[in-house]
Amino acid sequence: SQTIHQWPATLVQPVGSPLSLECTVEGTSNPNLYWYRQAAGRGLQLLFYSVGIGQISSEVPQNLSASRPQDRQFILSSKKLLLSDSGFYLCAWRDRRYPSENIQYFGAGTRLSVL
Amino acid sequence: GQQLNQSPQSMFIQEGEDVSMNCTSSSIFNTWLWYKQDPGEGPVLLIALYKAGELTSNGRLTAQFGITRKDSFLNISASIPSDVGIYFCAGYNFNKFYFGSGTKLNVKP
Repeated sequence: SQTIHQWPATLVQPVGSPLSLECTVEGTSNPNLYWYRQAAGRGLQLLFYSVGIGQISSEVPQNLSASRPQDRQFILSSKKLLLSDSGFYLCAWRDRRYPSENIQYFGAGTRLSVL
Repeated sequence: GQQLNQSPQSMFIQEGEDVSMNCTSSSIFNTWLWYKQDPGEGPVLLIALYKAGELTSNGRLTAQFGITRKDSFLNISASIPSDVGIYFCAGYNFNKFYFGSGTKLNVKP
């Protein structure tokens, strides 16, 4: 079966510090991978998605970047965090295989607080 | 971008009541999905819909893919306290998922 791992679960970082959040998927190959941010009580904002190694699409211009160094690894980074980067970050993957194609599965999320 | 309008934003119901929520879009989607999110956790898939007009059930949950492919609804029958959470609809097109703003469900025992 497929699983998605996202860590850390919570993170408190000072303004101006770097960020690295990691997400890995097991039990599948060549998935689409996604990073979302969710403000408290709000919907999901798509930040980045990737259809393959080294292929990143950015949806929202901001202080963040993403990389996909391996097929099932997706990393969200920042060189210098801003207060506005605080939020709940979710990694997700899309199953391309029939009959489950077009379904997206989420990780447990990372609660980031920038102080 | 493709916007999804989800309603209602929140609901306060008594245990045992039925619940209905819906999503509409100005765009056509190939797939409609419904998720539930508990506080501090990632959304969990409830139901996936692939064809216009499709009606699918998962226990006490029933969802339909609208004929026009621009809308979907989710019904919950005989609500229980553990139904509390935020429900999101999502539409899929061309590698991207578009989410509604969520319906927050509160159930009084």
